[in-house]
Amino acid sequence: DQQVKQNSPSLSVQEGRISILNCDYTNSMFDYFLWYKKYPAEGPTFLISISSIKDKNEDGRFTVFLNKSAKHLSLHIVPSQPGDSAVYFCAAKAGGGNKLTFGTGTQLKVEL
Amino acid sequence: GAGVSQSPSNKVTEKGKDVELRCDPISGHTALYWYRQRLGQGLEFLIYFQGNSAPDKSGLPSDRFSAERTGESVSTLTIQRTQQEDSAVYLCASSLAGWTETQYFGPGTRLLVL
Repeated sequence: DQQVKQNSPSLSVQEGRISILNCDYTNSMFDYFLWYKKYPAEGPTFLISISSIKDKNEDGRFTVFLNKSAKHLSLHIVPSQPGDSAVYFCAAKAGGGNKLTFGTGTQLKVEL
Repeated sequence: GAGVSQSPSNKVTEKGKDVELRCDPISGHTALYWYRQRLGQGLEFLIYFQGNSAPDKSGLPSDRFSAERTGESVSTLTIQRTQQEDSAVYLCASSLAGWTETQYFGPGTRLLVL
């Protein structure tokens, strides 16, 4: 049972344009959401997070939007850069717990 | 200081053999996590250590899997009688405290069971 879903396995975007990565979840107990970025042969690195009490969090070129009623979140990268090419994982956790539930990832390719 | 380190980086073993994977967390991090990622899948939680508390083993897939951690230092994940379906990247992460959301990941150990 995949509680966190990233339905797009890959996304290709031109440099300078906006990248939008989507994530859906089914567990209504999830109250904290994170995005991780992973380069080949490296571990995931934390990118940005959002609490369920907010609907938007911004950090530089990265913005995460949360729509609780739709159980949907998205990561926007503006402007996209070639160095952003990586696999992006959406993750969620419930209550005060520490177990992260990850999606299957979206491979982003930013082309020149 | 240094990030999370894991060894070996790659491991090839024969079905039925035991393997031991090591994780060195960031110094001072009290929480340590093991995940695995099988091909084409997301990260799957295995086990969580927080200080001297009893570990959360709820993600271990079978009794062939076990993990230990001494205090707030090194952790080892042991897989006994490996099976081909155990082939995956095993990732370790650590965080400052159990409530801290930012987990810092190591590069992983790529395990291939022939």
